[in-house]
Amino acid sequence: AQSVSQHNHHVILSEAASLELGCNYSYGGTVNLFWYVQYPGQHLQLLLKYFSGDPLVKGIKGFEAEFIKSKFSFNLRKPSVQWSDTAEYFCAAYGGTSYGKLTFGQGTILTVHP
Amino acid sequence: DAGITQSPRHKVTETGTPVTLRCHQTENHRYMYWYRQDPGHGLRLIHYSYGVKDTDKGEVSDGYSVSRSKTEDFLLTLESATSSQTSVYFCAITAGYNSPLHFGNGTRLTVT
Repeated sequence: AQSVSQHNHHVILSEAASLELGCNYSYGGTVNLFWYVQYPGQHLQLLLKYFSGDPLVKGIKGFEAEFIKSKFSFNLRKPSVQWSDTAEYFCAAYGGTSYGKLTFGQGTILTVHP
Repeated sequence: DAGITQSPRHKVTETGTPVTLRCHQTENHRYMYWYRQDPGHGLRLIHYSYGVKDTDKGEVSDGYSVSRSKTEDFLLTLESATSSQTSVYFCAITAGYNSPLHFGNGTRLTVT
């Protein structure tokens, strides 16, 4: 079965620390990958997406992710976090042409202390 | 933000009553989706639509039905609400190929 797993449920960092959130997927064939962010009380916003091409993807707000096909991973990174990055982060994927039929990871809550 | 409006934003209802949630889009996208969000589960797909009168079941469709009579509207109905359907419901749309999913602001439903 197709699945997406996020390794960390809750990550706590201080401002200026580096961030890496893990995401692994289980899909056969072509996979399309996403990271979404959800600020408290808000809807999901797209951080970045990977469909094909350069495996290093840059998104909004200084986030980036690397698609490593051999490891079935799509980890999210940011060199220096800010207090305003406090939110829940979701990795998601869909296979082939299953447009929008996303499988989500469980989410990682990021708390950044000033 | 993509033109997606969900209504109502909040609703409290009693067990056994029917409930309909509405998603309205102004993007003229073909593809529309209903997800529910629960702690520890991320988001899970309930139903989706690939066009007018073209709908199908997602991962957690039991107890839900949908209808799409116009491109812009996608309705989610709980025929007889249960407490396990207390959740936050998100509508989403996409243009399809190589396009990401964009989400509405959500509807918080409480079934007492």
